[in-house]
Amino acid sequence: SQKIEQNSEALNIQEGKTATLTCNYTNYSPAYLQWYRQDPGRGPVFLLLIRENEKEKRKERLKVTFDTTLKQSLFHITASQPADSATYLCALLNTGGFKTIFGAGTRLFVKA
Amino acid sequence: NAGVTQTPKFRILKIGQSMTLQCAQDMNHNYMYWYRQDPGMGLKLIYYSVGAGITDKGEVPNGYNVSRSTTEDFPLRLELAAPSQTSVYFCASSSRTGHYEQYFGPGTRLTVT
Repeated sequence: SQKIEQNSEALNIQEGKTATLTCNYTNYSPAYLQWYRQDPGRGPVFLLLIRENEKEKRKERLKVTFDTTLKQSLFHITASQPADSATYLCALLNTGGFKTIFGAGTRLFVKA
Repeated sequence: NAGVTQTPKFRILKIGQSMTLQCAQDMNHNYMYWYRQDPGMGLKLIYYSVGAGITDKGEVPNGYNVSRSTTEDFPLRLELAAPSQTSVYFCASSSRTGHYEQYFGPGTRLTVT
């Protein structure tokens, strides 16, 4: 069955450093990979989408890579700030599909 | 714009009771979704709709029903509530042109005891 794996352990980093989160998947060939941010008690918020034919995407301090051979995406937050502390969800979707598959998320803590 | 709104925010149900979770969006989005999120788990798709009058099952539809009579509203009905339906429920919507980007509501925390 389709499976998404994100590091279940929380990631703790110092302010100003780069945070790197990993998303691995199996038994799936997504056309799109997305990253969402979720704060406690709130709904997810869309951050970035990368297509299967794209290797890298950037948006301000965020960078996403997508390796369809390794079946892996890396999500980087540069110059991290305490306000970046949240849970980050990886999500996969097929072309023309509506059934997005979400990972369980990785909790990020940025210390001042 | 209010975006996606959900009511109620919290609810406690007894086993066997029924209820409807309300969801509305004011962004004129064609597509709407219902997810549940259990602790430590990813969001699971329950049902989705691509337009008024059109709904389809997601990954975990058993025990739930939906309807979509208008573009704005997408209620989720729980019949005969069971403890396994204790979860946080999120409604989301997306547009026809950018349907990969979903906008989520604040969620409804449901406990069945």
